[in-house]
Amino acid sequence: DIQMTQSPSSLSASVGDRVTITCRASRDISNYLAWFQQKPGKAPKSLIYDGSNLQSGVSSRFSGSGTGTDFSLTISSLQTEDFATYFCQQYDSYPPTFGQGTRLEIK
Amino acid sequence: QVQLVESGGGVVHPGGSLRLTCVASGFTFSSHGMHWVRQAPGRGLEWVALVPFDGSHKYYADSVKGRFTISRDLYKSTVSLQMNSLRPDDTAVYYCAKDLLAFASAQHPPATDSWGQGTLVTVSS
Repeated sequence: DIQMTQSPSSLSASVGDRVTITCRASRDISNYLAWFQQKPGKAPKSLIYDGSNLQSGVSSRFSGSGTGTDFSLTISSLQTEDFATYFCQQYDSYPPTFGQGTRLEIK
Repeated sequence: QVQLVESGGGVVHPGGSLRLTCVASGFTFSSHGMHWVRQAPGRGLEWVALVPFDGSHKYYADSVKGRFTISRDLYKSTVSLQMNSLRPDDTAVYYCAKDLLAFASAQHPPATDSWGQGTLVTVSS
C-alpha cells in the first residue's frame, strides 16, 4: 500500500495567516491526490482533486500543488471557519490511502 | 443538490453481522461509482470498498475482504455494505461517498466529491 505522510501533525495559526500543509507519498502517484477538510463530528468535505483542482463551491483561499510524491495545500488567508483537520488521499492505486491528518488550531 | 444518507449502524457483538445502506439523490446514480470509507473513533480515514458505475468489479480493502460485500440497487438509488464476521476493530463511523466524475474508470480508484453524514458501527461484547 502507498503510505501518505502529512506534516505537520498539528499547526497553530491566526486569522489572516497563510498556512501550508504538506503531504508526501511513499511512491510516485502522479497527480492522483485529493485534500479533505473535516470538522468535529462532521463528514469530510472534499476540497481539491487531481492535486490542484478546486471542488465546486470551495473557496479560492484554498489551493493545491505538487506532483509525483510531494504535495501541498495552502490556505491563503485563514478564516475562522477554516480551523479543522485536513487529510490528503492518494487514489493512484488500490487501496486508496489517507494521510494521518493535520489539525489546524487557532493560536 | 446531492444528498447521501447512511443508515443501519448500531451495536453488534463480535462475529455478528450488520447491513449499512446509503440512499442517494440529486444526481444520476447509475452514472457514478460509490465508495464506503470508515473512521475509527479519534482516528484517521480508511477506505473500505468501491462499486464502480458499471458494477463490473468490486474493490475492497484487505482488512474487510471476504467479510464485507458492497452492492447497489439502481432502482432504489442505494448502495449497501453487508458486514459479516464483525470484529472490534471494525468499530467506526462509516461514510458513503460518490465518484466525482460520471462514468469514471476504476483503473485508478476514482476521486470522490460528496460524502454522507456517516453511521456509527460499534462492535463490542
